[in-house]
Amino acid sequence: AIQMTQSPSSLSASVGDRVTITCRASQGIRNDLGWYQQKPGKAPKLLIYAASSLQSGVPSRFSGSGSGTDFTLTISSLQPEDFATYYCLQDYDYPLSFGGGTKVEI
Amino acid sequence: EVQLVESGGGLVQPGGSLRLSCVASGFTFSSYSMNWVRQAPGKGLEWVSYISSSSDTKYYTESVKGRFTISRDSAKNSLYLQMNSLRAEDTAIYYCARGVDRLDYWGQGTLVTVSS
Repeated sequence: AIQMTQSPSSLSASVGDRVTITCRASQGIRNDLGWYQQKPGKAPKLLIYAASSLQSGVPSRFSGSGSGTDFTLTISSLQPEDFATYYCLQDYDYPLSFGGGTKVEI
Repeated sequence: EVQLVESGGGLVQPGGSLRLSCVASGFTFSSYSMNWVRQAPGKGLEWVSYISSSSDTKYYTESVKGRFTISRDSAKNSLYLQMNSLRAEDTAIYYCARGVDRLDYWGQGTLVTVSS
C-alpha cells in the first residue's frame, strides 16, 4: 500500500500569510493526488484534484503543485475561513490513502 | 444540487453488525463510482471502500476485508455498507463520497460506536 507522509502536522499562521503544506508518497503516483479541507464537525471538501487542478468554486488563493512523489498545497494569502485541517489523498492505486493531516491554526 | 445523506449509525456491541445507507440526489447516481471514508474520534481520514458505477469492481482497506461489504442499488439511488464482526477500532464517523479520481461530494456522516 502507498503511504502518504504529510508535513507539518500543524502550523500557526496569521491572516495574510502564505502557507505551504507538503505531501510525500512512498512511491511515484504521477499526478494522482487531491487536497481536501475539513473544518470541525464538517465533512471534508475537495480543493484540488490531479495535483494542480482547482475544483469548481474554490478560491484561487489555493493552488497545488507536484508530481511523482512530492506535492505541495499553497494558500497564497490566508483568510479567516481557511483555518482548518488539510489532507492529501492519493488516488493512483487502491487502497486509497490519506496523509495524516495538517491543522492550520491562528 | 448534489446531496448525499448517510444513515444507519449507532451504538453496537463488539462482534455485532450494522448496515449503513447513503441516499444520493441531484445527480445520475448510476453513472458514478462511490466510496466510504471514515474518521475515528479526533483522528484523520481513512478510506474504507470503493464500488464502481456498475458494481463490478469493489475494493476495501485491509482492516475491513472479510467483515465489510459495499453494495449499491441504483433503483433506490442508494449506497450501502454492511459491517459485520465490528470491533472497537471501527468506531468512527462514516462518510459516503462520490467519485473515482476525486471525491467531489461528501455526505455529512453517520457515527458508528462499537462498545459494550
